[in-house]
Amino acid sequence: NAGVTQTPKFQVLKTGQSMTLQCAQDMNHNSMYWYRQDPGMGLRLIYYSASEGTTDKGEVPNGYNVSRLNKREFSLRLESAAPSQTSVYFCASSPSHSYYNEQFFGPGTRLTVL
Amino acid sequence: AQSVTQPDIHITVSEGASLELRCNYSYGATPYLFWYVQSPGQGLQLLLKYFSGDTLVQGIKGFEAEFKRSQSSFNLRKPSVHWSDAAEYFCAVGPYSGAGSYQLTFGKGTKLSVIP
Repeated sequence: NAGVTQTPKFQVLKTGQSMTLQCAQDMNHNSMYWYRQDPGMGLRLIYYSASEGTTDKGEVPNGYNVSRLNKREFSLRLESAAPSQTSVYFCASSPSHSYYNEQFFGPGTRLTVL
Repeated sequence: AQSVTQPDIHITVSEGASLELRCNYSYGATPYLFWYVQSPGQGLQLLLKYFSGDTLVQGIKGFEAEFKRSQSSFNLRKPSVHWSDAAEYFCAVGPYSGAGSYQLTFGKGTKLSVIP
């Protein structure tokens, strides 16, 4: 039982390049989330998927797209990376989209955009 | 809109000493409140949560937190800190924003250093 896994762990991009961050969970959770963490800013929600087949914007969705590929996988895509997207990205999952359910976090992807 | 303030960016305590991390929130109704811990290089782990009822909440790893409505606070405490508690701690608030919808708002975090 690996929990929430994220790939890659580290990535360096040049401005304008695209990439996809992968996230998978093996806990049979319905809900999945993408956050970014910036120094002194805490975590901010980018997108979430309350259930398979649905996605919704969070606090900071601009410049990102997501795909809920199936119940296990939720990917985050940067179409044209910008230096402002340099951050640590965390994926999380939860049994359902509710306060009563804990969110389980992956180890993060550290992205640098030059 | 809801907000969370963690006034202390960095706290250093000696091993065995008591700990209190402060969290203040701004929200019109009774919020849902959480404390998460992030060890270096790791994702976040839930320590405890408050929804309603008893205002003193017990969590994992010997942590507890007290909800004080009059002070809009949800401070995290531990009576005796261990070196392994060195980490960053995040307070979060989560209001109900509509049918089937909610979002957690995180504070900026408090980094805890422990002196052996």
